[in-house]
Formats: sequence, structure tokens, C-alpha cells
Amino acid sequence: AAGVIQSPRHLIKEKRETATLKCYPIPRHDTVYWYQQGPGQDPQFLISFYEKMQSDKGSIPDRFSAQQFSDYHSELNMSSLELGDSALYFCASSSPSVLSYNEQFFGPGTRLTVL
Amino acid sequence: AQSVAQPEDQVNVAEGNPLTVKCTYSVSGNPYLFWYVQYPNRGLQFLLKYITGDNLVKGSYGFEAEFNKSQTSFHLKKPSALVSDSALYFCAVRDKAGSYIPTFGRGTSLIVHP
Repeated sequence: AAGVIQSPRHLIKEKRETATLKCYPIPRHDTVYWYQQGPGQDPQFLISFYEKMQSDKGSIPDRFSAQQFSDYHSELNMSSLELGDSALYFCASSSPSVLSYNEQFFGPGTRLTVL
Repeated sequence: AQSVAQPEDQVNVAEGNPLTVKCTYSVSGNPYLFWYVQYPNRGLQFLLKYITGDNLVKGSYGFEAEFNKSQTSFHLKKPSALVSDSALYFCAVRDKAGSYIPTFGRGTSLIVHP
């Protein structure tokens, strides 16, 4: 079965650089979520999109932005990177979002290292 | 507001013995409850969920969980642990009447010894 695809899987950046993470949800899933997981931490919700509109916002820094495109893939844009941004970034998808008991399907994550 | 507590950072169990990973929750209304497993450097994998109905939920890989409304708990169990079950386990809750964004617990590291 198709799963959530994330790219790149690993990314190394310098401080103050920018990064773009991509997420391709499971086909026919209309909702995408972004999470940040620091070492030994639980996933922290950043932002979500439903049908290409931002639907919920969590602890996403102002330096980050995201969007969902017409093909439902999503991109997380991160600017002015800081050392503390080093983490695993997960994308998850679910559908249909109006059925809030549907579980999320997580991608393998992008490991971002900021030097 | 919704919250989840996983009181144990780590659970150690011998292979073949039963295992329990604890989870308690707090929601304003009625909960949807989930368990996920995470292997090193991997994304979270869905194990099982409680929506309504039978309090005992069976999931993937022989895991099950029991919903206890009076104790606001949703403990994960398995009758006979395998070394390959060693991983990080996350409990999550959504309030049926609230946000559809789940709240995750801090995770419990399960270590199964041969």
C-alpha cells in the first residue's frame, strides 16, 4: 500500500540558511499535518492543512511557513535556521478529516541538522 | 483541553512475558484514543484505536488495549512480548467534541530482553 512520502530524508544546513521539506500524502488523503520531534521528545504539532487551506496551527515558529498544493502535497519552508531547529520533521496524512477518529499515517521523517 | 500522560519513561520485560504500557488521558468530552509505535529513525506507525463500543481493542502485531472510562486509562498490552517489540510507544487522544489534532504523550521506551 502507498505510504506518506517525505523528502529529503536527511538535510544538513548552516545557521541562518533556509530549508524546504516536502510531503506527499497517501492518495485520497485530504489532510496533512506537520510535526517536529526533538531528541527524546514526543512529536510537537506544527501546522495542518485540509483541502489546501490551513486548518490548525500549533507551535510553528514565525520563521516557518507551509502550504498545501493542488495535488495535496505539502511543503514546509524554514528560514533563518537556528541550531535548535535540528530535529526530525514528520508529515502525516489522514482522510476524511471530518471523521476525527481517523488515525494519522506518518511518513518516515526528514532529519534536519543545523550546524 | 486534552492531555495524555505516560507515567513510565521505560518499561523492561523479559521475552515471553506479558507487557503493559500505561496511558491515562484527560478530555472535556469523550475521547478517541490511539496507540502508535516508533522504531529508531522511523515515523510513527499506527497500532490501534478506541472509538466507541467494546472496551477491549485489538490491533496490529498482537497488541491490544483496554479503555477504562472510570480510570481514564487506555493501557497497551500484549500477552507475550517479543524482542522485536522493543521500540518507543506513544499514546494519543482527541476530544470528540474538540480539535481533531491529537495530543501525544511523551512516549514510553519498551525494552524486551531475550
